[in-house]
Amino acid sequence: GENVEQHPSTLSVQEGDSAVIKCTYSDSASNYFPWYKQELGKRPQLIIDIRSNVGEKKDQRIAVTLNKTAKHFSLHITETQPEDSAVYFCAAPSLSGYALNFGKGTSLLVTP
Amino acid sequence: DADVTQTPRNRITKTGKRIMLECSQTKGHDRMYWYRQDPGLGLRLIYYSFDVKDINKGEISDGYSVSRQAQAKFSLSLESAIPNQTALYFCATSDFSDGGRETQYFGPGTRLLVL
Repeated sequence: GENVEQHPSTLSVQEGDSAVIKCTYSDSASNYFPWYKQELGKRPQLIIDIRSNVGEKKDQRIAVTLNKTAKHFSLHITETQPEDSAVYFCAAPSLSGYALNFGKGTSLLVTP
Repeated sequence: DADVTQTPRNRITKTGKRIMLECSQTKGHDRMYWYRQDPGLGLRLIYYSFDVKDINKGEISDGYSVSRQAQAKFSLSLESAIPNQTALYFCATSDFSDGGRETQYFGPGTRLLVL
């Protein structure tokens, strides 16, 4: 999307290591930041999201952090497993505020 | 997620042909979207609709049109297909609730090849 940048585009980690994916956004008024996971041949599905009134949210092995000042948010996956291998997309509200703009995706590979 | 369906799942067509991709949902959501996915480019928004009488262009609407026939149905048309419209197309619905949270539910995708 026009106002969301995502890095890295590919990431390879060994099983058990941590993985971090970062996104930046341009609209300081943005207030909602979801992350979607797309397994090979499947549809994207929401895995976690964060509102701008909190700095961190955790759900088991995944967490998302938000830095509103720097306008970036990150996905953290700990103790990675082979089934975490997928493409991950971040998103932020579009400049119109009525839709989501997605980052270009990060292809995560977890090797045993 | 069987609540959002797309037909066809795969389609091969020739340059210049008109084709329609269809999306249906049983989730009762007002908001529906069409995206295309290309390797390295992520998910790009083509059109979105917030109700039957509301149609909005997305980031890459040129060469596409849509029709919202009912709350549950949202169709995407390529009036004259060209090879660079070869892509994976996703329909999605969403519920805008809980003070601004918006979960999008994607269909299974339609893989389109334009020769």
